[in-house]
Amino acid sequence: EIVMTQSPATLSVSPGERATLSCRASQSVSSNLAWYQQRPGQAPRLLIYGASTRATGIPARFSGSGSGTEFTLTISSLQSEDFAVYYCQQYNNWPPALTFGGGTKVETK
Amino acid sequence: QLQLQESGPGLVKPSETLSLTCTVSGGSISSSSYYWGWIRQPPGKGLEWIGSIYYSGTTYYNSSLKSRVTLSVDTSKNQFSLKLTSVTAADTAVYYCARLYSDSWTTKFDYWGQGTLVTVSS
Repeated sequence: EIVMTQSPATLSVSPGERATLSCRASQSVSSNLAWYQQRPGQAPRLLIYGASTRATGIPARFSGSGSGTEFTLTISSLQSEDFAVYYCQQYNNWPPALTFGGGTKVETK
Repeated sequence: QLQLQESGPGLVKPSETLSLTCTVSGGSISSSSYYWGWIRQPPGKGLEWIGSIYYSGTTYYNSSLKSRVTLSVDTSKNQFSLKLTSVTAADTAVYYCARLYSDSWTTKFDYWGQGTLVTVSS
C-alpha cells in the first residue's frame, strides 16, 4: 500500500503571502498525483491532477510540481477563500487502489 | 451540469449495516471512462477512499474495508450504492459519493456530492 504523508499539518499564512504545501509518497507514484481543496462544511474540490495540471476553473495562483515521491502545491498569493484544508491523492496503482494524504490546513496567521 | 446526491439513514445502530445511495443527474452513469466512488471523512479527520464501481459492475475496494463493503450499480435508475456491514462508532463519518474520471493519462475525482453524515450509535 502506498502511504501519502502531508506536511505541515497546519500552515499559518497571512493573506497575500505564498503558501507551500508538501506531499510525500512512500514509493514512487510518477506524476500520478492530484490535489483537492476542502473548505469548511463543503465537499472536496479538484484543484490539480497529473501533479501539475490545473483543473477547469482553478485560478493560476494554484500550481503543482514534483514527481516520484516528492510533490508541492503552491498558492502564490493567498486569498481569503483559500484558507481551507488541502489533500493530495495518488492514483499510480489505480486500479485497484487510491490513497489520500492526511491533509494540510491553511489558516490565517 | 453533473450532480450527485447521497441519500440514506443518518443514524445506524452498532453491528448493523450502513446503506447509502448516490443518485446521479445531468449525465449518464453508463458513460465510459467514468467510475463512481465513495469516500468518507470522520469528524475532524481526513479523507478515506472506500471503493469505486464501473457501470458494468466491476468493483475495487480499499483493502482495509474490503471484508465489510459492497458496492452496486443500478443503471436504470442512474444510481450506485454502498453497503457497509457490522458498523461500529469508528464508521461514523460524512460519506461522499463522487465521479472518478479515469483514462490512460489520469485519474481524478472531478465531481462530488455534498456528503451525508452517518452516525453509528445505539
